[in-house]
Amino acid sequence: SQQGEEDPQALSIQEGENATMNCSYKTSINNLQWYRQNSGRGLVHLILIRSNEREKHSGRLRVTLDTSKKSSSLLITASRAADTASYFCATGAGGSYIPTFGRGTSLIVHP
Amino acid sequence: EADIYQTPRYLVIGTGKKITLECSQTMGHDKMYWYQQDPGMELHLIHYSYGVNSTEKGDLSSESTVSRIRTEHFPLTLESARPSHTSQYLCASSEGLAGGEYEQFFGPGTRLTVL
Repeated sequence: SQQGEEDPQALSIQEGENATMNCSYKTSINNLQWYRQNSGRGLVHLILIRSNEREKHSGRLRVTLDTSKKSSSLLITASRAADTASYFCATGAGGSYIPTFGRGTSLIVHP
Repeated sequence: EADIYQTPRYLVIGTGKKITLECSQTMGHDKMYWYQQDPGMELHLIHYSYGVNSTEKGDLSSESTVSRIRTEHFPLTLESARPSHTSQYLCASSEGLAGGEYEQFFGPGTRLTVL
């Protein structure tokens, strides 16, 4: 499988700062998704980026994809306490409908 | 908020009991999934279904079973619960778009504790 590996495992910042999380994977992908999980809850889809895209924006989120380095980054600008959550990348490949999730980055934003 | 529901949200039971975790979605999605997740860890796929009467085992070996008799319903059953089954169980659904471009919608999860 081509499990995504998020880095760092944990990140602690102050409100207003930017948060950057990275995801690396092993083999070719069709797309990569980022999800957020609040403590004790299910995951919520944030953004999908296709393998032929390099950058995508959604509100305060910016995702980049570098297929040559097999890596992606998620940037959250002007973070808020409500952004405190775990963030997972999930890779999709071939015709599979089943994404492969990484271990996640735990983000804590202090008010 | 996704229209996918899981019950119960929390369950504490004794070893050897039979349990069924319920999952229902109202989005008409063909694809449904069960994941197991320990605190602070990655998601492990334990079962999935591509449609009615279709079920497959996932990457993580599991002693649970699933059924898919109706599109909207995908229950997971443990015949004899053990302490090693203590975990969070997440149900998800998705459309099956060409090229694997899909978004998974997750339920709130069931936190199971087996004593």
